[in-house]
Formats: sequence, structure tokens, C-alpha cells
Amino acid sequence: EPEVTQTPSHQVTQMGQEVILRCVPISNHLYFYWYRQILGQKVEFLVSFYNNEISEKSEIFDDQFSVERPDGSNFTLKIRSTKLEDSAMYFCASSFWGGEKSNQPQHFGDGTRLSIL
Amino acid sequence: LAKTTQPISMDSYEGQEVNITCSHNNIATNDYITWYQQFPSQGPRFIIQGYKTKVTNEVASLFIPADRKSSTLSLPRVSLSDTAVYYCLVGFHTSGTYKYIFGTGTRLKVLA
Repeated sequence: EPEVTQTPSHQVTQMGQEVILRCVPISNHLYFYWYRQILGQKVEFLVSFYNNEISEKSEIFDDQFSVERPDGSNFTLKIRSTKLEDSAMYFCASSFWGGEKSNQPQHFGDGTRLSIL
Repeated sequence: LAKTTQPISMDSYEGQEVNITCSHNNIATNDYITWYQQFPSQGPRFIIQGYKTKVTNEVASLFIPADRKSSTLSLPRVSLSDTAVYYCLVGFHTSGTYKYIFGTGTRLKVLA
């Protein structure tokens, strides 16, 4: 069964540094997402991406964050000037279709654990 | 206020049926309701998705009443390996945007 893969599995970064989290979505999927999960809390939506543009974003996804699909297979989340409170699991997801009327479920990777020191 | 709520935890014994409910009062009119299972240090795993009435697949059933303000995941005959956290995922229109909101999660513990 096709999978969403994320690298690295664990990233340790000094506060104030930039970090890039990488994801390879399922190959025929068109919508891509990033979520985060702070330890012990629920999963929170960050952003959705379609056709090389951000479709929707939450209030968490401020100017510190950006997303990019640099080639035909990768989807990245960049966090600039990291803060201690950015420490969390970051999950990438993809779906064949998306948006309000979509009956295509999102499929998630196993996440990158980001630790900010 | 867009919000999804679930019971924090449930205990069950092997072989029993487990029902987990998610409340989503302000769900977007055309949005589907999706349920996921999450094990520690793993990403959410898709279980089932539905829009209204009842949906069944090989692992679960999903019951959605006509007003769609809640949904119930039903796991038949649970086993120890079903011990996990279960989340609903719903789309909402809020502040002029559309976004996905996970439920608060239900920690299911299956006992021998």
C-alpha cells in the first residue's frame, strides 16, 4: 500500500535556526497538508496545498512558516527562526482530492519529531 | 466556534463492541467525517469516512445522524491491538476560511 514518507524522523535544532521538514506524498495525490501535534495534545491543522498554492491555512501558520513543492515528489515545510514552542511532531498528509466536498481521505506519514533547544 | 469534542478515555474488554462519539456542531455543510487511529510515535491511520447515515467497512462502522452534529465510530469485537487513541476529523468554515479540525481524541484501552 502506498505511503506518505517523512524525513528526518527526528530533528534537533537550536532556537533561532531555520529548519526544513520533508515529505514525499503518495504519488497520484494532488492535495498536501501539514499538521502538528504538541506532546500530549491533539493534532492541529497548519496548511493545505494544491496546484502549487496554499489552499487553506490556520492561524498557527504565520509568516514564520512556508511550504513548497520544489519538485514532482517532495513537499516541504520550512520554519524560520524557530522558537522553543515549535517543538512538536509534524505530520504530512496527502489526499487524491481535497476541500469541503471531497470524499477522499487524508493519508498521514509517521511524522518528524522537532526538538528546539 | 468550530469545535470537535470526544470522551477523553474509554476502557473495554477483548471481544466487546466499542462506540466512540464525536460532537461537531458546526460542521461544514458538504464536509465528510473521517476517523483515525493513532498509536504512540506514529501518524494517524485512516479507519473510515462518511457523510451521512451509516458506513461500514472491514474494520469499523460509522453512524451519522441526520443533523450531522455528531458521529459514532463503532469497533466490533475489539482486541488488545486496538488499544490506541481515536480521532475524528471534520472540516469547518470559520472566520471566512475552511480548515480541518481534529477531535480531542479518545484513548481506548482494551483489557484482556
